[in-house]
Amino acid sequence: AVQLVESGGGLVQPKESLKISCAASGFTFSNAAMYWVRQAPGKGLEWVARIRTKPNNYATYYADSVKGRFTISRDDSKSMVYLQMDNLKTEDTAMYYCTARWFDYWGQGVMVTVSS
Amino acid sequence: DVVLTQTPSILSATIGQSVSISCRSSQSLLDSDGNTYLYWFLQRPGQSPQRLIYLVSNLGSGVPNRFSGSGSGTDFTLKISGVEAEDLGVYYCMQATHAPLTFGSGTKLEIK
Repeated sequence: AVQLVESGGGLVQPKESLKISCAASGFTFSNAAMYWVRQAPGKGLEWVARIRTKPNNYATYYADSVKGRFTISRDDSKSMVYLQMDNLKTEDTAMYYCTARWFDYWGQGVMVTVSS
Repeated sequence: DVVLTQTPSILSATIGQSVSISCRSSQSLLDSDGNTYLYWFLQRPGQSPQRLIYLVSNLGSGVPNRFSGSGSGTDFTLKISGVEAEDLGVYYCMQATHAPLTFGSGTKLEIK
């Protein structure tokens, strides 16, 4: 069965850093572009970042709201995707979802709270 | 950025009723490769989103066939033919033709 399991969320202060992870299983991870999508409390969905596959040079793309602060990466040998979040702001508070295969697969989400 | 406008924002339906949700784009979503990257999702209360429809009209894996998608260019529709209790939640359209990828603001389906 396909599984995406996020981890690493928590409470951090503004300007701090946090790295969240997503462990994938049940599909050929190395062939799948991976995405992070977030949802602020009581709000809608917002795409955050995308990373393509090795044949596409692991190209990365970011929403303007996180560009220069967030970095998406992947480790195909471990079937893992990561989101390094630096210089966090209160408006980054959200549930962060890992998603794959053109949004067919979703994790359960991990909560990131940025507050002083 | 492409703006997706969903209407209505709230939809109240009885069991068995057929309903439609509109998603209008500020730009054509027809890609140069001939595909239209328009998707529909359902987020049930307390759950992760679930993909219902991909590429305008293709039913996702395991999705009941009471759901259907249609449209082209800038106007798209999700139809539920015979609402069931499990269909309550928030429906989102999403486009991936133009960067950045964007979502509609959502349509909340309530069951009367």
